[in-house]
Amino acid sequence: GAVVSQHPSWVICKSGTSVKIECRSLDFQATTMFWYRQFPKQSLMLMATSNEGSKATYEQGVEKDKFLINHASLTLSTLTVTSAHPEDSSFYICSARTPYNEQFFGPGTRLTVL
Amino acid sequence: AQSVTQLGSHVSVSEGALVLLRCNYSSSVPPYLFWYVQYPNQGLQLLLKYTSAATLVKGINGFEAEFKKSETSFHLTKPSAHMSDAAEYFCAVSEDSGNTPLVFGKGTRLSVIA
Repeated sequence: GAVVSQHPSWVICKSGTSVKIECRSLDFQATTMFWYRQFPKQSLMLMATSNEGSKATYEQGVEKDKFLINHASLTLSTLTVTSAHPEDSSFYICSARTPYNEQFFGPGTRLTVL
Repeated sequence: AQSVTQLGSHVSVSEGALVLLRCNYSSSVPPYLFWYVQYPNQGLQLLLKYTSAATLVKGINGFEAEFKKSETSFHLTKPSAHMSDAAEYFCAVSEDSGNTPLVFGKGTRLSVIA
């Protein structure tokens, strides 16, 4: 299957700082990527849909100004958590849609905000 | 709107015993259904998916699931559990095979007892 990578795999930061998470499709072009958030022992919740060359579409209740998404190329989408706080600590997972409308998930990024 | 209900947040089986993880869905359109497995601190791995072809779907690692429209169910089974099957399992529903984001159930943690 297609490969999706995320970087970093884990990050620890101080409260108030910003953190950028990258999602890359390694062997295909992805016009659409999805960002999910998973709290400990809970399910994945969709945060936003990232479309190459246009603004992301955010789910209800997700703060656009806090979770900045940029899909600048067909193989890269970035999620920036701005002014992170401990409640933002979570597991962030992206998925990328192939030209054949299949989704492949990245390995996830664990964010811990102190 | 679509939703998924996974019955049982935790299932425990003996090694060699039958694995049965339950999933019921709700969808206003013909659903596409997925089962994913997640190992600790890792991303999601697709086990199998139903895309309106055969109702009995065979996946990786000996898992299979049967789509039953009358029961709105898509239960996951494996004849004989291995220790390596211990993980978190998520059932998900979508309107298509990958164009739209997935809606996940809350997950079922499978424990395998030696």
